[in-house]
Amino acid sequence: DAGITQSPRHKVTETGTPVTLRCHQTENHRYMYWYRQDPGHGLRLIHYSYGVKDTDKGEVSDGYSVSRSKTEDFLLTLESATSSQTSVYFCAIWRGGSTDTQYFGPGTRLTVL
Amino acid sequence: LAKTTQPISMDSYEGQEVNITCSHNNIATNDYITWYQQFPSQGPRFIIQGYKTKVTNEVASLFIPADRKSSTLSLPRVSLSDTAVYYCLVGRSGAGSYQLTFGKGTKLSVIP
Repeated sequence: DAGITQSPRHKVTETGTPVTLRCHQTENHRYMYWYRQDPGHGLRLIHYSYGVKDTDKGEVSDGYSVSRSKTEDFLLTLESATSSQTSVYFCAIWRGGSTDTQYFGPGTRLTVL
Repeated sequence: LAKTTQPISMDSYEGQEVNITCSHNNIATNDYITWYQQFPSQGPRFIIQGYKTKVTNEVASLFIPADRKSSTLSLPRVSLSDTAVYYCLVGRSGAGSYQLTFGKGTKLSVIP
């Protein structure tokens, strides 16, 4: 357990509405990530953060923005949701030590109607 | 980031040993090899990580040949609960590179 929670766990919204997903970690890790997962595509990186107020784009960042105002929270915002953003969203952190890799949260299932 | 290639799917009977091989021809000197397991509706779960030779933990073993261009995840005596998608990744931390690239994984189906 990497101490990662995501909220909400499920959300249904309508096209054109803004949506914010929250990732919260309890272990003070510097690196945090947002992925989306769709059938046939595996996990694709949307954005990541390497510190408070430090973020960068991943391979599928169009239509998404992120913010990180404190270490423990990484927010993903869909400014105007579209049906193509219906997906499962996973947050991850990078934890170093004996195993130096990413650990994932439980996911948020988002449906845009 | 090095690209990986692994079989799309595998079937196995309960109680058998399963070996999933991943090729990563462009692995860099500092890259580690990491395997994840993912069940439906859950986030990927770390299984095992290695750099060279053999690594074993309570869940699996990871075999890495000397040239490191491939690796094999070995699951001993699988059960129905091992039915999942298994991802092989290569990547490293440090020098500003804290990223992993996920492929499509190997869907393992364990048959009673």
